[in-house]
This record gives sequence, C-alpha cells and structure tokens, in this order.
Amino acid sequence: DTEVTQTPKHLVMGMTNKKSLKCEQHMGHRAMYWYKQKAKKPPELMFVYSYEKLSINESVPSRFSPECPNSSLLNLHLHALQPEDSALYLCASSQDRGVYTDTQYFGPGTRLTVL
Amino acid sequence: AQKITQTQPGMFVQEKEAVTLDCTYDTSDQSYGLFWYKQPSSGEMIFLIYQGSYDEQNATEGRYSLNFQKARKSANLVISASQLGDSAMYFCAIAGGTSYGKLTFGQGTILTVHP
Repeated sequence: DTEVTQTPKHLVMGMTNKKSLKCEQHMGHRAMYWYKQKAKKPPELMFVYSYEKLSINESVPSRFSPECPNSSLLNLHLHALQPEDSALYLCASSQDRGVYTDTQYFGPGTRLTVL
Repeated sequence: AQKITQTQPGMFVQEKEAVTLDCTYDTSDQSYGLFWYKQPSSGEMIFLIYQGSYDEQNATEGRYSLNFQKARKSANLVISASQLGDSAMYFCAIAGGTSYGKLTFGQGTILTVHP
C-alpha cells in the first residue's frame, strides 16, 4: 500500500483567511515533504520533516507554517496568502531522508486558489 | 549539486508503440539515485521506476524500463506498448548521495498517446 492522502482536494481562500492543508500516510514512513507546483513546472520543495522534526525549510515565507503532529500526519497552515501562492500543493512521504535510494510517494495534491 | 535536463517538452506516440523519453543528469556525487514520475492531468505524482548509480542492470517495472548509460549520464525512460492512459507529464529526478534525499526534478516531458 503506497497511499498518501491529502485534504481538501480544492481550496479557494481570500488573502485574509486562515486555512490548513492536511496530509496523511500509513506506510510507516518517517520522512514527509511539502512541495509547491505551478502549472507545467516541476514541483518545488518547501519543507521536509524527518522523525517529526523539521529538517529542511527552503526559505519559505512565514505565511506558510508546517506542522507534524505525529509520524503519519503533516499539516500546512496558511495565513495571509497572496494570489501568486495559487498552485498545486503536493505532500510526499518516504521511509527516511538522507539516503539516495529513498523513494518519495506523493499524494493527489490540493489545488489552492487565492483570491 | 544536481541537475536534470529533459530536452523534449512534448512527445507524441501512437497507441501500442514504444516511446523513449530522454533524461540527462549532472552530479558531483558518486552515489545517486534516478527516479521517474508520471503526473496525469489530475495532479498526482506517480512513482514509476528507480535506478541506482551502482545498479549494473537496467531497471524494469512492467511496461517501463530505464535505459541507464552511466558514462553518458543519461537515464532514458522507455514505455513499451503505449496506452491512452499513458498521456501525462513525465518527470525525471535525481537524489545525490550528499543531498539527504532531496530530489532535483527536470522540467518534464508531456507525452500524448494517439489512438
């Protein structure tokens, strides 16, 4: 079973709203990732959690706030976003980070529109 | 540092024929892994196949095979017996031995399968 789930599938929010994206995996993976993807572009890494600790922040603006409550759950809290933040947000998980053989499995993504 | 180059922005293939998607890479790491992902219009990134830098045999997974030529730094994806459902964006990615599992993606190739 290589399933990563994400909710919601679609989200429309205003620039003053606060919302959260949720990601869940039940594969026993210890690394989880957030990516942002614009149309017809490759995914861009935002954050990496390893063993529930934030290990990589790719200089993401503070209006994006990640949280990893436990090893199977990853949230991305959104606040005061800009229209240019509209994108597909992908979550991924892998057994562990730090090894080049580690395969990342992705969820279906959340399509975010900021008005 | 790692770099992936996918020189084919778009490819067309007739149903039931084979198609090769090109990928060349650059890395200063001796150990690295190469990955191919498929992304249909629905958005989910689907892992297809993995090749390690020390693997002597080309990787195969069902209709997918990887033509790995280490000296030329190429890792082309071959899809045999194309199906209409293969129409999607395809990304090649690399994780280097010193990148702590961080994936570097190419720009992608859009594959269209004609009936």
